[in-house]
Amino acid sequence: DQQVKQNSPSLSVQEGRISILNCDYTNSMFDYFLWYKKYPAEGPTFLISISSIKDKNEDGRFTVFLNKSAKHLSLHIVPSQPGDSAVYFCAASDSPWDSNYQLIWGAGTKLIIKP
Amino acid sequence: DAGVIQSPRHEVTEMGQEVTLRCKPISGHDYLFWYRQTMMRGLELLIYFNNNVPIDDSGMPEDRFSAKMPNASFSTLKIQPSEPRDSAVYFCASSLVSERPNTGELFFGEGSRLTVL
Repeated sequence: DQQVKQNSPSLSVQEGRISILNCDYTNSMFDYFLWYKKYPAEGPTFLISISSIKDKNEDGRFTVFLNKSAKHLSLHIVPSQPGDSAVYFCAASDSPWDSNYQLIWGAGTKLIIKP
Repeated sequence: DAGVIQSPRHEVTEMGQEVTLRCKPISGHDYLFWYRQTMMRGLELLIYFNNNVPIDDSGMPEDRFSAKMPNASFSTLKIQPSEPRDSAVYFCASSLVSERPNTGELFFGEGSRLTVL
């Protein structure tokens, strides 16, 4: 049973336009969400996070939106740049501050930015 | 500051051989995670440690897999005997969970690509 779902395996966006990556979750106990970016032959790197007490978090060109009632979050990248081409993973946790801490990961979405 | 260091980066071995993957976490981090990435199953958590103690190994596929963390700066993931279906990229990650506030961020190594023939 997939608790974190990224239903789009890939997404192609024109350079300069907005990229929107989506993530759905089923566990209402999740209260912390993270996005990671992964380039080929490298490990994932942390991009941005949001806790359930917020509905939006912004960091430069990256904004994450959280809709708790819909159990949905999205990552917006604007404007999209060629260097943003990568696989993006959504991850969630229900216990980021205790000894049972672990992340539940989505399958990833491959973002391709076209020049 | 050095990140998470994994070795080897690439390993090609024959079925039945023992494989040992190594990881040096970021100094001071209290959590260490071993993940496996495949096309079919994405990122799977295999096992994680808190202060060198294994917390959850329910993701370890079978008894052929074992992991140890003898001290805070070193961990190994061993596969014995290896099988072709073990071919994957194995990632090690570390985190400082006890820090407040905790971002929940994991720091990943570059991965060890294992090919079992």
